[in-house]
Amino acid sequence: DTGVSQDPRHKITKRGQNVTFRCDPISEHNRLYWYRQTLGQGPEFLTYFQNEAQLEKSRLLSDRFSAERPKGSFSTLEIQRTEQGDSAMYLCASSLDRNRAGFNYGYTFGSGTRLTVV
Amino acid sequence: AQSVTQPDIHITVSEGASLELRCNYSYGATPYLFWYVQSPGQGLQLLLKYFSGDTLVQGIKGFEAEFKRSQSSFNLRKPSVHWSDAAEYFCAVGAIGYSTLTFGKGTMLLVSP
Repeated sequence: DTGVSQDPRHKITKRGQNVTFRCDPISEHNRLYWYRQTLGQGPEFLTYFQNEAQLEKSRLLSDRFSAERPKGSFSTLEIQRTEQGDSAMYLCASSLDRNRAGFNYGYTFGSGTRLTVV
Repeated sequence: AQSVTQPDIHITVSEGASLELRCNYSYGATPYLFWYVQSPGQGLQLLLKYFSGDTLVQGIKGFEAEFKRSQSSFNLRKPSVHWSDAAEYFCAVGAIGYSTLTFGKGTMLLVSP
């Protein structure tokens, strides 16, 4: 397994355009998380899935944001009508749920997608 | 809700010197605690974690951290810093019953020759 993969690594888009990011988690991990990281800040939680079910969404996830994990494997994060404030690093992470992971519980992060809205 | 404070935004350490990065958390019960490292333009790599038991935990790359319940702290230490340790370090807390982690704002470590 090559870890968590995110695509693209970088995206530059014009304000008002839609963008979509993809995350491929570690194959045996049933949980997938999206975080956003702006300059000088730590990652902030956006949403997470257990298998294909979206179990929690942050207040940061406005109506312009939507995330899916249709078959419980890869996930996509779409931002509609992008704004300059959406410029950030979008990080995906995966894990086993705590019951299955036990003391091995912990996130594995991808390298992120850097979004710049101009 | 839980929170994490990393009081130092930047720290500069001479190569070969010891290192301590501070982390204070706020949570009503015993938390799950993590330290991650991030190199420029990269994702986060797990250094170590604390769930329960021995309050001194060992991690990768020669790092260790000590959980002190009385001080609500989980400070990261390394006895001798290498130039390759220069990166940003994030402390994170997870709450029992919740699946998400709350991160601090990070501490940027600079290593001088």
